[in-house]
Amino acid sequence: QKEVEQNSGPLSVPEGAIASLNCTYSDRVSQSFFWYRQYSGKSPELIMSIYSNGDKEDGRFTAQLNKASQYVSLLIRDSQPSDSATYLCAVNIESGGGADGLTFGKGTHLIIQP
Amino acid sequence: DVKVTQSSRYLVKRTGEKVFLECVQDMDHENMFWYRQDPGLGLRLIYFSYDVKMKEKGDIPEGYSVSREKKERFSLILESTSTNQTSMYLCASSNSRRRADRGQPQHFGDGTRLSIL
Repeated sequence: QKEVEQNSGPLSVPEGAIASLNCTYSDRVSQSFFWYRQYSGKSPELIMSIYSNGDKEDGRFTAQLNKASQYVSLLIRDSQPSDSATYLCAVNIESGGGADGLTFGKGTHLIIQP
Repeated sequence: DVKVTQSSRYLVKRTGEKVFLECVQDMDHENMFWYRQDPGLGLRLIYFSYDVKMKEKGDIPEGYSVSREKKERFSLILESTSTNQTSMYLCASSNSRRRADRGQPQHFGDGTRLSIL
C-alpha cells in the first residue's frame, strides 16, 4: 500500500511567521508531487507542483523536495489569517490500465493566529 | 483555467433512492475521478476512468457505479442510497501522464454535499 503521511495538526502559527508543513511518502518511484489547500466546506485547490529535488518558489509559498529522504514540504512565508486551511500533500501513482492517479495525505490543519 | 463542474452543490435524498451525480470538465482531460471525503478519513477514491467507456474501481466502490459515455462527462450513480453514503462527493480530472510525460495534478469541482435521510 503506497502511503502519504502528514501530521494532522492543528498547527498553530502566529501571523507573519513562517508555517512549515511536512509530508513523507513510501513509494520510491513517485516523480510528481503536489500541494493542495482546502478551506472548510470547500474543495481542494492546487497551489504548488514540484517535480525535481530542491526548492520551488511561488510568491509566499516554497515547496521543497528531497527524493532520497522521501519527503516534501511546504513553507508559507509571512503567514496570513487567510492561510488558515487544511493542506493536502499528493504524490503521483500509476494506477491500473495505464491511468495515473494521486495518493493523498489526510492533510494538516493550519491555523494562523492574528 | 481548468473548469470542473459538478451538477449540484447540495442534495438531500431518502434512503433507497437512486442518485445521479454529474461531473463535466472542459479541458479535454483523459482521466476523471470520483472521491468521497469524510472527517478524519481524508479523500477516498471511489472510481476512476482513463478513457471514454473505461472505468476502474478505486478503494471503496461498493454501493456505487459510474458511467463515462463522453470524454468530458463522468457520472457517479448510487443505485439505492443508504445513510452511510452521506458525505461530500468530489469529482476531479487530470491530463494523461503519457501525454504530458509526467504525473499530472488533479483539478477538483466544487463538490456535492449529499445527505441521505
